[in-house]
Amino acid sequence: EAGVTQFPSHSVIEKGQTVTLRCDPISGHDNLYWYRRVMGKEIKFLLHFVKESKQDESGMPNNRFLAERTGGTYSTLKVQPAELEDSGVYFCASGAGARSDTQYFGPGTRLTVL
Amino acid sequence: AQSVTQPDIHITVSEGASLELRCNYSYGATPYLFWYVQSPGQGLQLLLKYFSGDTLVQGIKGFEAEFKRSQSSFNLRKPSVHWSDAAEYFCAVGARISGGYNKLIFGAGTRLAVHP
Repeated sequence: EAGVTQFPSHSVIEKGQTVTLRCDPISGHDNLYWYRRVMGKEIKFLLHFVKESKQDESGMPNNRFLAERTGGTYSTLKVQPAELEDSGVYFCASGAGARSDTQYFGPGTRLTVL
Repeated sequence: AQSVTQPDIHITVSEGASLELRCNYSYGATPYLFWYVQSPGQGLQLLLKYFSGDTLVQGIKGFEAEFKRSQSSFNLRKPSVHWSDAAEYFCAVGARISGGYNKLIFGAGTRLAVHP
């Protein structure tokens, strides 16, 4: 069974540009989470989907970040326009559905904004 | 406020030595607790988890952790470290969010180096 996959693995962009990160969860997992680790700090929660619905987006830093999960399968996280402080590693995780379920993480996308 | 503290940023041990990584949490209810490991160039891999029951939890790769409610701790241990255990280790607590689901609150991580 394939794990959580993320694309791209690395992205380097200029300040002001747009970047879209993609996450493919484990097949059949209704729950999808985005997290971010900025500059060696703690990994922090961004938002949570249940199927195609945003269940909680309390961790989204500002309105430059837009997450979607059309059809309840893969998800995208768009940053527009990117700022220097957006640099970091963006992780996606998925879970099977029970409220105490385990979250399985992807390898992350390392975003560098110059 | 909910939080996780990993007091040790870096730890160096010799191969074959025992290991204990510390984790303290702050959470009002019964916590769901996790340890993840990130090896160089890899994603986060779940080592073990505690939801309820036996407070000594066994995980993969020979790791175990003990939940101590009185000390708000969930320390990770391994009796004999292998060079391949060199990685960054994250302790996390599951915090309740909308709909009864859980987000993970992570500690800052402990980077483990293993000397031959």
